Amino acid sequence: EADIYQTPRYLVIGTGKKITLECSQTMGHDKMYWYQQDPGMELHLIHYSYGVNSTEKGDLSSESTVSRIRTEHFPLTLESARPSHTSQYLCASRGLSTEAFFGQGTRLTVV
Amino acid sequence: GQQLNQSPQSMFIQEGEDVSMNCTSSSIFNTWLWYKQDPGEGPVLLIALYKAGELTSNGRLTAQFGITRKDSFLNISASIPSDVGIYFCAGQLFRNSGYALNFGKGTSLLVTP
Repeated sequence: EADIYQTPRYLVIGTGKKITLECSQTMGHDKMYWYQQDPGMELHLIHYSYGVNSTEKGDLSSESTVSRIRTEHFPLTLESARPSHTSQYLCASRGLSTEAFFGQGTRLTVV
Repeated sequence: GQQLNQSPQSMFIQEGEDVSMNCTSSSIFNTWLWYKQDPGEGPVLLIALYKAGELTSNGRLTAQFGITRKDSFLNISASIPSDVGIYFCAGQLFRNSGYALNFGKGTSLLVTP
C-alpha cells in the first residue's frame, strides 16, 4: 500500500483566495509529480520534481507554483484562485522503481 | 509529452463478459503501466510491464508489453460490477533528467449486473 497523502480531499473556496494543496509521502521517494484532471478526463502533468530544490513545469501550463524544500513534501500553491482552476489535483511519487503511486487527490472548486 | 492513444474510450458490458483495451504510441517506451481510477479517487497501479513481449497477470487481469515496445493491452476476464472505473495506460521513457510518465486518455468501463 502506497503511503502518499493529500490534503484537503475537498476544497471549496472563493475567487481571489490563495490556496495551498498539500502532498506528503513517507516512502523516501525522490521523484514527485502533480497532475490536473477534470472529471472523467485524462491526467495532465503540471509540475514535477526529481529531488529537493528541484522543480520543473510539466506539459500543461498552469498558474500554480510548487516547492520542494523537503523530500517528503511537495505542496502546490495558487496565489489567486479563479473558477478556471476548478479541477481535481493528483499528487504522485516514485522511487527507484518505475511505478508511480498516487494520492487520493484534492477536488478543488473555486466559486 | 509523447502521445498515447488508448482505446476504446468507453465500454459498457454485462457482468461476466471479458474486456480488452489497448494503448499505442508512435514512441518506444521502456515500461508500460496500467492504472485503475475509481470516481473521486487517485489512480491505483494494477500491473507494471518491463520487457518487450512480457505477459503479466494479476488475478483476472492480464497485460502484455508489445514486441515493438510501442503498445500494450489489458484484458479483464469475467468482469464484475466492482471493475467499474477508468483504466489508464502509462508509458515511461527516459529523458535527460529522468523517467517521464505519459498517460493515455483512459478507458471508462461500465459493468451491468
